Amino acid sequence: KAGVTQTPRYLIKTRGQQVTLSCSPISGHRSVSWYQQTPGQGLQFLFEYFSETQRNKGNFPGRFSGRQFSNSRSEMNVSTLELGDSALYLCASSRDQQEEKLFFGSGTQLSVL
Amino acid sequence: QQQVKQSPQSLIVQKGGIPIINCAYENTAFDYFPWYQQFPGKGPALLIAIRPDVSEKKEGRFTISFNKSAKQFSLHIMDSQPGDSATYFCAALGSSASKIIFGSGTRLSIRP
Repeated sequence: KAGVTQTPRYLIKTRGQQVTLSCSPISGHRSVSWYQQTPGQGLQFLFEYFSETQRNKGNFPGRFSGRQFSNSRSEMNVSTLELGDSALYLCASSRDQQEEKLFFGSGTQLSVL
Repeated sequence: QQQVKQSPQSLIVQKGGIPIINCAYENTAFDYFPWYQQFPGKGPALLIAIRPDVSEKKEGRFTISFNKSAKQFSLHIMDSQPGDSATYFCAALGSSASKIIFGSGTRLSIRP
């Protein structure tokens, strides 16, 4: 059974640009959540999607958005990039909404120059 | 009230020693406390988890101790090995809390 797949693995962008990250959950998993990981802030919850609907959102500005498709794949978008957006962005999938066991991908390392 | 405080930030232990990582929470609505292990270049992976109705849970060399009255829980690694060197995150989740809250992480290094 394939794990959670995140693409791309690495991204380098400049301030002001926008970026789209992709996440393919484990087959059969319907919930996808996104996290930002930085050395200073640890793992912070961005949002959760289930059945193509955002079910929960963390304390991030509106520049951070996402969506989920009918096949449960999810994308995350960050507009008007800032230097502080440099981080590892992790996606996790679970079978159902607010399922306790999360399966994480290896993440997308975003560097904003 | 939504925070989970984790300590220490980093820890170095000799092989065979017992590293202990501690976490504390305030929100009594939390009812599920997992620990995740993360190796460099990988995402976190669920290691072991506990619910407040038990005081201890063991899975192999990993043990969670839970103190409900103190709102604290800790991870112990018995007979630690260099392969246990990783970053460990505690977390808390509750049905009414609606989102998982992670601790700040502990970078553990096991010296050969």
